[in-house]
Amino acid sequence: EDQVTQSPEALRLQEGESSSLNCSYTVSGLRGLFWYRQDPGKGPEFLFTLYSAGEEKEKERLKATLTKKESFLHITAPKPEDSATYLCAVPGNTPLVFGKGTRLSVIA
Amino acid sequence: NAGVMQNPRHLVRRRGQEARLRCSPMKGHSHVYWYRQLPEEGLKFMVYLQKENIIDESGMPKERFSAEFPKEGPSILRIQQVVRGDSAAYFCASSPGLAAGTGELFFGEGSRLTVL
Repeated sequence: EDQVTQSPEALRLQEGESSSLNCSYTVSGLRGLFWYRQDPGKGPEFLFTLYSAGEEKEKERLKATLTKKESFLHITAPKPEDSATYLCAVPGNTPLVFGKGTRLSVIA
Repeated sequence: NAGVMQNPRHLVRRRGQEARLRCSPMKGHSHVYWYRQLPEEGLKFMVYLQKENIIDESGMPKERFSAEFPKEGPSILRIQQVVRGDSAAYFCASSPGLAAGTGELFFGEGSRLTVL
């Protein structure tokens, strides 16, 4: 069964305190790994697509990396506006299988 | 350039009533996906449709739930005889092509169903 596991479930950072979120997956034949951001009361918003091990994508303070078993979302010098739930997803037997997300809080 | 539009944003129903949730995809998008999100749970796939066709409904409960995406008009997710366990946020997403290709789904803001 296709599975996506994210850790930690919640993360509280001080403004400027860099950290990483983890997404591990079990899927037969990886066809990409996708990161989304979800703000409270909103729908998820697409951030990145990664297709192969070693690939990296960057957007402002966020950098996503991919290995054969997992992906990391690195957050450098976060700001309060980076507070959100970050979701990762993979195509499986259904269009996209999502993890439960990591709820990030950045305190000023 | 309107995004994915869902309505109603909030819906309250009593047990046994019907709930109808509507989704208008982004202009030019012919693929629609419905996901359900329970508190503290991830997004769970329900159904994938193209115009007039259900492509994958493997995530949809066999009873009481149905979905359609007619040639004209929005996609509709219909829940008959609602029960308390149906209370959740229902998200619609659209894409111009098969999402697995790019992973980029465009989500609406969701419809929050509360069953009393």
